[in-house]
Amino acid sequence: GESVGLHLPTLSVQEGDNSIINCAYSNSASDYFIWYKQESGKGPQFIIDIRSNMDKRQGQRVTVLLNKTVKHLSLQIAATQPGDSAVYFCAENPPSYSGGGADGLTFGKGTHLIIQP
Amino acid sequence: DAGVIQSPRHEVTEMGQEVTLRCKPISGHNSLFWYRQTMMRGLELLIYFNNNVPIDDSGMPEDRFSAKMPNASFSTLKIQPSEPRDSAVYFCASTPGGGGHNTGELFFGEGSRLTVL
Repeated sequence: GESVGLHLPTLSVQEGDNSIINCAYSNSASDYFIWYKQESGKGPQFIIDIRSNMDKRQGQRVTVLLNKTVKHLSLQIAATQPGDSAVYFCAENPPSYSGGGADGLTFGKGTHLIIQP
Repeated sequence: DAGVIQSPRHEVTEMGQEVTLRCKPISGHNSLFWYRQTMMRGLELLIYFNNNVPIDDSGMPEDRFSAKMPNASFSTLKIQPSEPRDSAVYFCASTPGGGGHNTGELFFGEGSRLTVL
């Protein structure tokens, strides 16, 4: 079956620098994408989402970019802080799933973001 | 407001024993999800409920796993008999929506870490 994957399992950046976490998805029919953050010992936490009719969406210090041509998703974190250290997951939702939204989410395996002081 | 509450946070048991994991979703949320997280397979959806009714249990590994949602504020995931390969972190999540194309913002609990010896 099709799956969501990540390019880099670990990303190390200097505090204050910008981070870019990449994700490749393989289901071209997916029309909704989400980024989650998971801190050690905690459950995943929603960061930002984007629908396929958009190519960019901004939040507070985070931006998600969607390139449907190459089936690529990225999460940009501006001015990284120690609190940004976590595992980041992308997830996709194919439209074939009956309920849409959260019930069809497929998660990637995650990228571990490490912030160097 | 209280988030999704899971218990126990940690469980160590011996192979063959019955394990029951519990979840209290956020009040007012209509959908509840059980996920399993391992290093090898990442986050896997086991089953989800909408308005207390199981909608999709195709992710449940085998007959040893069962889940119930007797009312809107409580769900259990039971493994009987447990095996070492069931060792994982089990997450419960809830979301306000159900049908239609809703936000993918799942609200996760802190997880139940299960170790089967």
